[in-house]
Amino acid sequence: NAGVMQNPRHLVRRRGQEARLRCSPMKGHSHVYWYRQLPEEGLKFMVYLQKENIIDESGMPKERFSAEFPKEGPSILRIQQVVRGDSAAYFCASSPRRTGALTGELFFGEGSRLTVL
Amino acid sequence: AQKVTQAQTEISVVEKEDVTLDCVYETRDTTYYLFWYKQPPSGELVFLIRRNSFDEQNEISGRYSWNFQKSTSSFNFTITASQVVDSAVYFCALSEANRDDKIIFGKGTRLHILP
Repeated sequence: NAGVMQNPRHLVRRRGQEARLRCSPMKGHSHVYWYRQLPEEGLKFMVYLQKENIIDESGMPKERFSAEFPKEGPSILRIQQVVRGDSAAYFCASSPRRTGALTGELFFGEGSRLTVL
Repeated sequence: AQKVTQAQTEISVVEKEDVTLDCVYETRDTTYYLFWYKQPPSGELVFLIRRNSFDEQNEISGRYSWNFQKSTSSFNFTITASQVVDSAVYFCALSEANRDDKIIFGKGTRLHILP
């Protein structure tokens, strides 16, 4: 059973470029969460998606950031016109049910580390 | 308002010593869950434990033990006879029934076990 797969593991971008981070949830999981970890910080919630729907994006910056979880394929976190402050580790987690984040039935990927030069 | 506080930013102990990582949380919900995660140098998140708000029984798993006290809103984590492999960042986290779509993490405690 494959776990949550994130790619790329490491991504380097120059200021102004776009970053796309992909997350393939565990098989059978239709709930996906994205978290961001800034250096020396804890993880901060960004967005919660179900298939084809954004449920809660209260943690997403208002500009340049977007997320999707299409019917087919991985969830994508997209950052347009990256700035140095976007450098962070981005973690994806998946769950088989709506209450996964409450009960801790949340499975994390290994993270994608974005470096903006 | 910060809901999970890990006051210890960094701790260093010599191998075989016991060490306790503190966690204080804040919530208005009566139903909530508390978690500890380990993040080793490789970067992944390793789930360690979950407790719900109705179960104050302390738990022991090998060298790890957790002390949950609702009266002080604390959920402390103790490693007994520490080993170098315990070196990692440890995160305490909280989820609340009224906000069941996210887990709130503390800032973490970086633990160094010195040989």
